[in-house]
Amino acid sequence: DQQVKQNSPSLSVQEGRISILNCDYTNSMFDYFLWYKKYPAEGPTFLISISSIKDKNEDGRFTVFLNKSAKHLSLHIVPSQPGDSAVYFCAASDYNNNDMRFGAGTRLTVKP
Amino acid sequence: DVKVTQSSRYLVKRTGEKVFLECVQDMDHENMFWYRQDPGLGLRLIYFSYDVKMKEKGDIPEGYSVSREKKERFSLILESASTNQTSMYLCASSHRGMGQGTQYFGPGTRLLVL
Repeated sequence: DQQVKQNSPSLSVQEGRISILNCDYTNSMFDYFLWYKKYPAEGPTFLISISSIKDKNEDGRFTVFLNKSAKHLSLHIVPSQPGDSAVYFCAASDYNNNDMRFGAGTRLTVKP
Repeated sequence: DVKVTQSSRYLVKRTGEKVFLECVQDMDHENMFWYRQDPGLGLRLIYFSYDVKMKEKGDIPEGYSVSREKKERFSLILESASTNQTSMYLCASSHRGMGQGTQYFGPGTRLLVL
């Protein structure tokens, strides 16, 4: 039972445009959400997070939006750069638990 | 900077062999995790540990065991390797506590079981 779902396995955007990666979750106990970025042959690296008391968190070109009623979050990258090409994993956990669940990942390709 | 290291980047083993994957973190994190990553399935949790000598099963513990004798070290053991355990194995660590769940990952071990 996959509690965190990324329904788009891949996304291709032009350099300079916006990339929007989506994630849905089913467990209403989740209240801490993260995005990780993974290059080939490397471990995932933390990108940005958001807790359920917020609906938006911004860090430079990266913004995460959370819609708790829809159990949906998204990652916006503006402007997209070729170096952003990677697999992006959405993750969620209970704020106390630290037991995290990951989505299947979305492969982002940013074309020059 | 948090550093999580894994004993091998690539490993080739034969069916039936006992396999040890080791993970070391240098940030005094309480929690440590083992995942496997497979195409289309993302990261699936095998086992995690929230303290020395403590372990909890994740989503797919069958065929695996773990050992945590020291805080900084978490070992994953494949008792009798099988071809369906060919995968990328990722270790992670994090602090325990409210809102401190950000996990830091090692580079991964790509295991091929022949």
